[in-house]
Amino acid sequence: NAGVTQTPKFRILKIGQSMTLQCAQDMNHNYMYWYRQDPGMGLKLIYYSVGAGITDKGEVPNGYNVSRSTTEDFPLRLELAAPSQTSVYFCASSYSPTGLNSPLHFGNGTRLTVT
Amino acid sequence: GQQVMQIPQYQHVQEGEDFTTYCNSSTTLSNIQWYKQRPGGHPVFLIQLVKSGEVKKQKRLTFQFGEAKKNSSLHITATQTTDVGTYFCAGPVDSNYQLIWGAGTKLIIKP
Repeated sequence: NAGVTQTPKFRILKIGQSMTLQCAQDMNHNYMYWYRQDPGMGLKLIYYSVGAGITDKGEVPNGYNVSRSTTEDFPLRLELAAPSQTSVYFCASSYSPTGLNSPLHFGNGTRLTVT
Repeated sequence: GQQVMQIPQYQHVQEGEDFTTYCNSSTTLSNIQWYKQRPGGHPVFLIQLVKSGEVKKQKRLTFQFGEAKKNSSLHITATQTTDVGTYFCAGPVDSNYQLIWGAGTKLIIKP
C-alpha cells in the first residue's frame, strides 16, 4: 500500500500564479484533510472532506479550493498565489472522523514557496 | 474558541536525560492523540488516549490523560538521538470533524 501520496514535493510559484496540489490515498478512507504548517508552528486545517462529493471549510480556507470527486483523490487548488501561502502542505486521511480509533495518515508534504 | 496549548515550545536535553511535554485543552476532550514529526518529515501517529486518567506506555514513552480529560502529557525516559523531532498533541473539536492541534514541542539533543 502506498498510503497517502502527495505531489509535487516542492514548488516555487510567482505571486498571482495558480496551482493544484494533488493528494491520493489507497486505504479507502472516507475522511480526508488538508493542513498547512508554517515554520515552527502546528498544523492548521484548510479544508476537509467526509466523503466523495462533500467538502467543508476548516480554520484557514481563504485563498484555497478543494474538490472530492472520488474517495481516493482530494486535490487542493491555490488561486492567485500570495507570499502568505508559503508553507508546507500536508494531506491526511482517516477511517473515522477526527481519528477516533483510526489515526490520521499523512502524506509526505508539499513545500510551497511563493515569491 | 476551543484551544489546545502545548508547552514548552522547545526542550534541549543531553542524550540520556528525560523529556516531558504538556498539553492543555480549554474544553474537555473525548480523546487525545499524540504524533511525532521528524525534522523534514510528516506527522506520524504515536498513540490515542480515551479514558479519564489513562496511562499508556510504549517502551521509554509514557502518555497520560488527565482525570478531567483536559490535559495530557508525554514523558520520554533516557532520551536517544532517535527521539529527536517535534511532538504534537491533538484533540477533536466538538460537533464537527476536525482535530485541533497543539503547537508542538521540539526535542533537541545537545551535542
